[in-house]
Amino acid sequence: DTGVSQNPRHKITKRGQNVTFRCDPISEHNRLYWYRQTLGQGPEFLTYFQNEAQLEKSRLLSDRFSAERPKGSFSTLEIQRTEQGDSAMYLCASSDKGVGGLAIYEQYFGPGTRLTVT
Amino acid sequence: AQSVTQLGSHVSVSEGALVLLRCNYSSSVPPYLFWYVQYPNQGLQLLLKYTTGATLVKGINGFEAEFKKSETSFHLTKPSAHMSDAAEYFCAGHLGGSQGNLIFGKGTKLSVKP
Repeated sequence: DTGVSQNPRHKITKRGQNVTFRCDPISEHNRLYWYRQTLGQGPEFLTYFQNEAQLEKSRLLSDRFSAERPKGSFSTLEIQRTEQGDSAMYLCASSDKGVGGLAIYEQYFGPGTRLTVT
Repeated sequence: AQSVTQLGSHVSVSEGALVLLRCNYSSSVPPYLFWYVQYPNQGLQLLLKYTTGATLVKGINGFEAEFKKSETSFHLTKPSAHMSDAAEYFCAGHLGGSQGNLIFGKGTKLSVKP
């Protein structure tokens, strides 16, 4: 168990550019989640996958945001035409179905990717 | 509406003193509740969870929390604070029957004075 990993850890981009982040979940976990955390706030849910299927998307996930998990393993989050308001920490988490099904509720988080849009 | 509310954005205690961080929730169905800790520039680490069964749950680093349905609360406690406990703490819940959307409170920053 090497934990959830995210790359890059930091990204600075100019307004209007596209950025892509990657998340590698814990290997046996079939659920993967994306959250956004701004300064002084708790994380806000963006979307989640079960295997390769995207099961839920938040209204926060505007048309400029897209997430994929093509083979049910790693996931990417792309932001097109970035805006200064996109500056935040983007967190990825994963969870496992586990015995009895309750483990799906235990989400384990990666270190995050901090995005700064100038 | 489903929500998690943490009372107090900053809490300061002396080393060795009791730590009490407050969390209340609003949920239309029995919730699953969690406490996470976040150290600077790091992700969130799961401290403890309440899903079903015993309402007093114990977590890592000596923390525990009690689920009180009548008070819609899930307060986090630790009998004796250590300097290493200084961090930001988040209460979160699966509310309203959601399996994916973990709803977080705004966090409480804990400071520990020597």
